[in-house]
Amino acid sequence: AQKVTQAQTEISVVEKEDVTLDCVYETRDTTYYLFWYKQPPSGELVFLIRRNSFDEQNEISGRYSWNFQKSTSSFNFTITASQVVDSAVYFCALSEALHSNYQLIWGAGTKLIIKP
Amino acid sequence: SAVISQKPSRDICQRGTSLTIQCQVDSQVTMMFWYRQQPGQSLTLIATANQGSEATYESGFVIDKFPISRPNLTFSTLTVSNMSPEDSSIYLCSVEDESAGANVLTFGAGSRLTVL
Repeated sequence: AQKVTQAQTEISVVEKEDVTLDCVYETRDTTYYLFWYKQPPSGELVFLIRRNSFDEQNEISGRYSWNFQKSTSSFNFTITASQVVDSAVYFCALSEALHSNYQLIWGAGTKLIIKP
Repeated sequence: SAVISQKPSRDICQRGTSLTIQCQVDSQVTMMFWYRQQPGQSLTLIATANQGSEATYESGFVIDKFPISRPNLTFSTLTVSNMSPEDSSIYLCSVEDESAGANVLTFGAGSRLTVL
């Protein structure tokens, strides 16, 4: 069965530290998408990245980077030199090709607290 | 990407009453999705709303409790009927963000309901 696990319920670091949010997924499908979304205190979910199952290249966008490893079924998210504005709940999600109605399987979320 | 406006942004409701949440998109979209996010929890898809047809509900959600309207390609409403404290949640409207790629969703800011 499909599943997304974000084992870290809450992470607290001091500003400028690097932090990695873990995401482990389960799927039987060979074609799937993985996502990260950010939900700041304002509540609106913001799309960060989508990765398809055939593209294992890591991606970097400014201070954000993502490490996709099919061998360990993980799609981890690293923030370098964290800032207070990075404080939010971060969700990892999975979408399988077989689901045509955009059914995303969501992780429980990791609450990230960046202290000044 | 589409811009989604949700109303109300928050409300406090009495047990047994019903509340209708409105979702307006600034562009025409085929499908609109309604999610529920219970306090401190992840997202759960309630239903998918297509224009001109009945909404498709996910397991655990029924039309009598969560009637949905979709009168045109830019608007939808979700009603939470006969509310109880267990319905206290954030309700989110979303659409596919075609510019960002398949299965990427854009979300409204959410409607935070508290049922007393």
